[in-house]
Amino acid sequence: GAGVSQTPSNKVTEKGKYVELRCDPISGHTALYWYRQSLGQGPEFLIYFQGTGAADDSGLPNDRFFAVRPEGSVSTLKIQRTERGDSAVYLCASSLTAFTRDGSPLHFGNGTRLTVT
Amino acid sequence: GENVEQHPSTLSVQEGDSAVIKCTYSDSASNYFPWYKQELGKRPQLIIDIRSNVGEKKDQRIAVTLNKTAKHFSLHITETQPEDSAVYFCAASSTGGGNKLTFGTGTQLKVEL
Repeated sequence: GAGVSQTPSNKVTEKGKYVELRCDPISGHTALYWYRQSLGQGPEFLIYFQGTGAADDSGLPNDRFFAVRPEGSVSTLKIQRTERGDSAVYLCASSLTAFTRDGSPLHFGNGTRLTVT
Repeated sequence: GENVEQHPSTLSVQEGDSAVIKCTYSDSASNYFPWYKQELGKRPQLIIDIRSNVGEKKDQRIAVTLNKTAKHFSLHITETQPEDSAVYFCAASSTGGGNKLTFGTGTQLKVEL
């Protein structure tokens, strides 16, 4: 596609519920990143994939958060037992690869605004 | 891990003036430094980036400088226009870290008529 696509654009859920956020990266991009952005803050790294495998999940805040990318393209971020503190904009980004010598530009989607009531 | 500090948090300039935003980073292994512009409710968009093998890069009214010794880099916008008003984020990454970015806290730039 033309850019990184994220669905839904907005999600309102009740505390304790399960949510899934979807990311469709730019075609041909092998690296995919999830970030979380709270109001007035910069994006905060959660996890990234190179191909199908999670290469670094050190940013996931706890075991309620999980992400998959089974076919190396679309990714789903899953949050169990949501809490009010999970409310934020969840951004997905993709790049050609995570292993270039001098850095590879990340292209972001519009994000999913998650509100936990 | 990497820590990126950014200042100022807000910056107001008159149209036509220059704007400068500064960032410092902590990890000497970082070698890629992009700048993103984010308008309200929209995605961060890459406006310019610099790699560790150069000290300066320019693209029309936007330039970025990098001082690896001091571990700081700056964004310079000349001849500012109202459409430059947005939040600007600096970031740093290292190839050893999978190119994952660590972001600064952002600068709200307002260009006044």
